[in-house]
Amino acid sequence: VLTQSPGTLSLSPGERATLSCRASQSVSTTYLAWYQQKPGQAPRLLIYGASNRATGIPDRFSGSGSGTDFTLTITRVEREDVAVYFCQQCTSSQVTFGQGTKLQIK
Amino acid sequence: QVQLVQSGAEMKKPGSSVKVSCTGSGDAFSNYFINWVRQAPGQGLEWMGGILPIYAVVKDAQKFRGRVSITTDESTSTVYMELRSLRPDDTAVYYCARDVRRSTFAYGFDHWGQGTLIAVSA
Repeated sequence: VLTQSPGTLSLSPGERATLSCRASQSVSTTYLAWYQQKPGQAPRLLIYGASNRATGIPDRFSGSGSGTDFTLTITRVEREDVAVYFCQQCTSSQVTFGQGTKLQIK
Repeated sequence: QVQLVQSGAEMKKPGSSVKVSCTGSGDAFSNYFINWVRQAPGQGLEWMGGILPIYAVVKDAQKFRGRVSITTDESTSTVYMELRSLRPDDTAVYYCARDVRRSTFAYGFDHWGQGTLIAVSA
């Protein structure tokens, strides 16, 4: 089980966003990914392998962590970052997603 | 450019089956795991299973075992997901999504289809 916190994050433009993803058992960093989903759109891969940015993702998005605790950081949020962010893991060939963190911009 | 194109929306009765297709372009298809992920209205993401077309290796979620079949037709670069014994709570947008690296499973899904709405109602 992946538990994301906070459920909702409300920040001003330029502030730093820290999103947490906690696993109920240890996850290999190879199998930890982060997604951004905007309303009406398919999810977009941001980070894979816990810390590798996907193609075309700005460097203000970064991922870190190991074991059971992982973090997605957005160094300076922009209005276009309004979205729900999901983490994903794979253990024993079973893929699960966290419930999501909603990012709002003040 | 990688593209995954899915079949259109469908309305189904409880107890029936649905088969959704996902057609990929060229190398985007055969050597990558193609996964199925669904999203109920206003809800999160749920992985259903995936297939590596070149070897027809299938991985499926325990929750859907016995109710879902994932198959491939390499001649048309198409992956199919069939869900049987449909219930109203199967109403969701169903996405196909490609793994980010060749021949790897669940590193991350970097290309997604446009989604297919399946509505189940009497």
